[in-house]
Amino acid sequence: AQTVTQSQPEMSVQEAETVTLSCTYDTSESDYYLFWYKQPPSRQMILVIRQEAYKQQNATENRFSVNFQKAAKSFSLKISDSQLGDAAMYFCAYRDSGYALNFGKGTSLLVTP
Amino acid sequence: DTGVSQDPRHKITKRGQNVTFRCDPISEHNRLYWYRQTLGQGPEFLTYFQNEAQLEKSRLLSDRFSAERPKGSFSTLEIQRTEQGDSAMYLCASSLQGLAGNEQFFGPGTRLTVL
Repeated sequence: AQTVTQSQPEMSVQEAETVTLSCTYDTSESDYYLFWYKQPPSRQMILVIRQEAYKQQNATENRFSVNFQKAAKSFSLKISDSQLGDAAMYFCAYRDSGYALNFGKGTSLLVTP
Repeated sequence: DTGVSQDPRHKITKRGQNVTFRCDPISEHNRLYWYRQTLGQGPEFLTYFQNEAQLEKSRLLSDRFSAERPKGSFSTLEIQRTEQGDSAMYLCASSLQGLAGNEQFFGPGTRLTVL
């Protein structure tokens, strides 16, 4: 079974600074997708960024970028110019040729003024 | 379309009672998923529908759980003889087959508390 590990239960960043959230995963598949989802308090989960494993180029969405290291099975999320609205739980997720997303336990991000 | 909706948003019930939750996916999405999220954990997959066919079920989905999607549109998740361990947030998601990465859009969830 695939497992996703987020080793940082909580992270804190000052507004306008940069923070990196870590994620590692375990799989024997060569073709799969990786995702970062954001879950604000009492609000629904939304997709932040997606990475296809066959693509070597790291995905970027505005202030959000990933560092995908396929050999190391590592998939970290970098948030630049952090904003108060970035405060949320962040979940790393994996999906292969099946349908189910496999989530990590999440990292709670606190953004301080 | 305003996204995936779930009803009710909160449900409190007594142990042993039956509960039913409803999920309305994004209208053109043919795939629908149910997940369960307990406190301090990430969501865990329960089951998946493509149109009206239930194609995959997790071992987490015990015999007390049943899900349906009768016309390939909305879905219901029923829990019979609820137990305190069933207390969790039940999340529904939908996706469109063929969309890059099969991106799943999540609803706000139904929070179940079993007393």
